[in-house]
Order: sequence, then C-alpha cells, then structure tokens
Amino acid sequence: DVVLTQTPPTLSATIGQSVSISCRSSQSLLHSNGNTYLNWLLQRPGQPPQLLIYLVSRLESGVPNRFSGSGSGTDFTLKISGVEAEDLGVYYCVQSTHALTFGSGTKLEIK
Amino acid sequence: EVQLVESGGGLVQPGRSLKLSCVASGFTFNNYWMTWIRQAPGKGLEWVASITNTGGSTYYPDSVKGRFTISRDNAKSTLYLQMNSLRSEDTATYYCTRDRSRFAYWGQGTLVTVSS
Repeated sequence: DVVLTQTPPTLSATIGQSVSISCRSSQSLLHSNGNTYLNWLLQRPGQPPQLLIYLVSRLESGVPNRFSGSGSGTDFTLKISGVEAEDLGVYYCVQSTHALTFGSGTKLEIK
Repeated sequence: EVQLVESGGGLVQPGRSLKLSCVASGFTFNNYWMTWIRQAPGKGLEWVASITNTGGSTYYPDSVKGRFTISRDNAKSTLYLQMNSLRSEDTATYYCTRDRSRFAYWGQGTLVTVSS
C-alpha cells in the first residue's frame, strides 16, 4: 500500500500567517494516464471532510484562493496564504493513483 | 444540489451483521463510481470499498475484504454496504462519497459501534 506521510502533525498559526503542510508518498503518484491523483481535504470539527484541492493543484469550486497546492511525484505541499479563523480543523492528503490511501492528518490550531 | 444521506448505523455485537444505505440525489447516480470511507473515533480516514458506476466491479482493502460487500441499486439511486463478521475495530463513522478520485461530495456519515 502507498503510505502518505504528512508533516507537521499539528500546526499553530495566528490569523493572517501563511502556513504549509507537506505530504510525502512512498511511491510516485503519477498515473500512467499522465494525471497525479493527489487531493487535499479539510475536516472541520464535527463535520465530514470537504475537498479543497484535487489533481495536486486544482482549486475546488467555492474554495478560497488562499489555498494552493503544489508538487509532483512523491512530494506535495498545501499552502494557506493568510490563515483565517474558519481554517481550523484537520487537513488530510489523499491519493487515488493506487489503491486509495490517506495521510494521517495535520491539525491546524489558531493561536 | 448533490446530497448523500447515509443510514443504518447503530450498536451491534461483535460477529453480527449490519447493512448501511446511502441515498443519493442531485446528480445522475449511474454515471459515477461510489466509495465508502470510515473514520474511527478520534482517528483518521480509511477507505472501505468502491464500486463502479454499473456495479459490475467492486474493490476493497484487505482489512474488510471477505467481510464487507458494497453494492448499488441505480434505479433507486442508493448505495449499500453489507458488513458481516463485525469486529470492535470496525467501530467508526461511515461516510458515503461520490466517485473514486475527486471526493467533492460526502454524506454526514452514520455511526457504527461494535460492542458487546
């Protein structure tokens, strides 16, 4: 199985601060069709996860553009440019190039 | 508006069975793969099962293979998860999600507790 390693496990940020979360894969996530199936999800407390970013860097409709994704192969990053209070929760990377697996999550706390 | 509504969760004894349902609306159900994902209390997300849009093929991780069966009724826009030989480690909130790679739509989840 593909293992996704997320760092850091927890993140504390002030409003307006920019932060990044890393997701490293044990195998390349480049599919034979040329796509890289790496997404980012946010799970707010008591809510189901919501999609933020798909195919590494594509912003899901309705998601603020302070969220951005980048990376290739085995190394990926989610960046939040100017954290807002509503961004608190747990962020997960998820890959579906191979059998579906999730990262262990990064909890974002607001100072 | 896309909606996914799960039901069927509850308290069940180890070794027993339970069947979850997910009613979909707001999109053409038979055009999409569907996936079940679970989350144990206070833990991360785990893939449980996926099914093609026709129901012709199904996929499972080793942790549930042989015990769980995913199925669908396209006429009723409903997804199912039959869970047999339940174990304490199957205790989780079970989410129904649309497709197999984007995961833009999730239900609110249904809680399954396996305990004697």
